[in-house]
Amino acid sequence: GESVGLHLPTLSVQEGDNSIINCAYSNSASDYFIWYKQESGKGPQFIIDIRSNMDKRQGQRVTVLLNKTVKHLSLQIAATQPGDSAVYFCGFNQAGTALIFGKGTTLSVSS
Amino acid sequence: DTGVSQDPRHKITKRGQNVTFRCDPISEHNRLYWYRQTLGQGPEFLTYFQNEAQLEKSRLLSDRFSAERPKGSFSTLEIQRTEQGDSAMYLCASRLDRGDEKLFFGSGTQLSVL
Repeated sequence: GESVGLHLPTLSVQEGDNSIINCAYSNSASDYFIWYKQESGKGPQFIIDIRSNMDKRQGQRVTVLLNKTVKHLSLQIAATQPGDSAVYFCGFNQAGTALIFGKGTTLSVSS
Repeated sequence: DTGVSQDPRHKITKRGQNVTFRCDPISEHNRLYWYRQTLGQGPEFLTYFQNEAQLEKSRLLSDRFSAERPKGSFSTLEIQRTEQGDSAMYLCASRLDRGDEKLFFGSGTQLSVL
């Protein structure tokens, strides 16, 4: 069946470190992947997305890497800041279906 | 603020009561989605609309749940005969039906069933 998972439920880093959040997916037919950030009491906020014809995409302080061979997606946050503390979700869809999300990784940044 | 509004932000109800939530999407977005999220979990898809047509419903959506989008703008999600297991955050999201696939989420309605 289809599933999206994250390798670690929690990640603790020091301010200024780089953070890497991982996600594994099972459906090889997926063509679109996305990362969201969710702060307490708020809805998910879009961070970055990538299509299956790419293996890397960069944004401001964030990079998404896609390895279709092993069905793995990762989010890299450079120079992590306390304001990055939140829950991060990966998701995917296929044409015509809704986004499906994993359980989330809680990122804690200490200063 | 993404531009997606949900009302109310919080709802406390007694088991067996009916509740209704409202979502106002970004005005030009013709796709509207409902998700449910429990503590520590990612959002779970419930249903989505393209304009006023309900195109997909999850197996999670029992017959006590009904959603409408009568004029292709705002949407309502009703839960009849609420159960304690319905306690969750109910999220609404919207997007255009072509081009960019990312969803814009509202802040959600937190439902507590006592």
